[in-house]
Amino acid sequence: QSALTQPPSASGSPGQSVTISCTGTSSDIGGYNYVSWYQQHPGKAPKLIIYEVSQRPSGVPDRFSGSKSGDTASLTVSGLQADDEADYHCSSYAGSNHWVFGGGTKVTVL
Amino acid sequence: QVQLQESGPGLVKPSQTLSLTCSVSGDSISSGYYWNWVRQHPGKGLEWIGYIYQSGSTFYNPSLKSRVAISIDTSNNLFSLKVTSVTAADTATYYCARDDTNTWSALGHWGPGTQVTVSS
Repeated sequence: QSALTQPPSASGSPGQSVTISCTGTSSDIGGYNYVSWYQQHPGKAPKLIIYEVSQRPSGVPDRFSGSKSGDTASLTVSGLQADDEADYHCSSYAGSNHWVFGGGTKVTVL
Repeated sequence: QVQLQESGPGLVKPSQTLSLTCSVSGDSISSGYYWNWVRQHPGKGLEWIGYIYQSGSTFYNPSLKSRVAISIDTSNNLFSLKVTSVTAADTATYYCARDDTNTWSALGHWGPGTQVTVSS
């Protein structure tokens, strides 16, 4: 059970979009539509922003969107704002009641 | 709104057992959700440790299974984590979390986290 692969960093200017990838295998991301994304500000607990690949919890702006193709999931943050500067973590169900996370991506708003 | 709060010693000696508790308020721990432990090594990503269901069924990360135990205390509305034979590699911030109201497949509620250092 290996961690999902995320780029260590991504950046964009205010108002622009940034897309973060999360690559797994057919045993996790490719096998289930149970990909979730979490936003984490420094010193804070993670916050759920996307579940089941593309669903947003109540209160999460529609600037956050998720998708999946094959073994890779993606999170897009549109209309970047200063408060979007944070770490973003992906997670996927990996079968047999197991879960796996990615290594996290630090998003910088230039 | 459910709230979770981790508690336990911030410093544990190598080879000893790390014990943490997650107190739950605003919801009954017997309400049918999955109660998880997740950790984050300094400057790193998240690592799922395992979870327990209200029935007491447990599931663990295979990489930690031999050293980890999660238990539930319905009387006191809390659940606990034990990690045995700790080393410096177990130094991390430990979070307890519950699956989201809308889906069992994501963690919608988190405690603030507790930092644990393994050192002599």
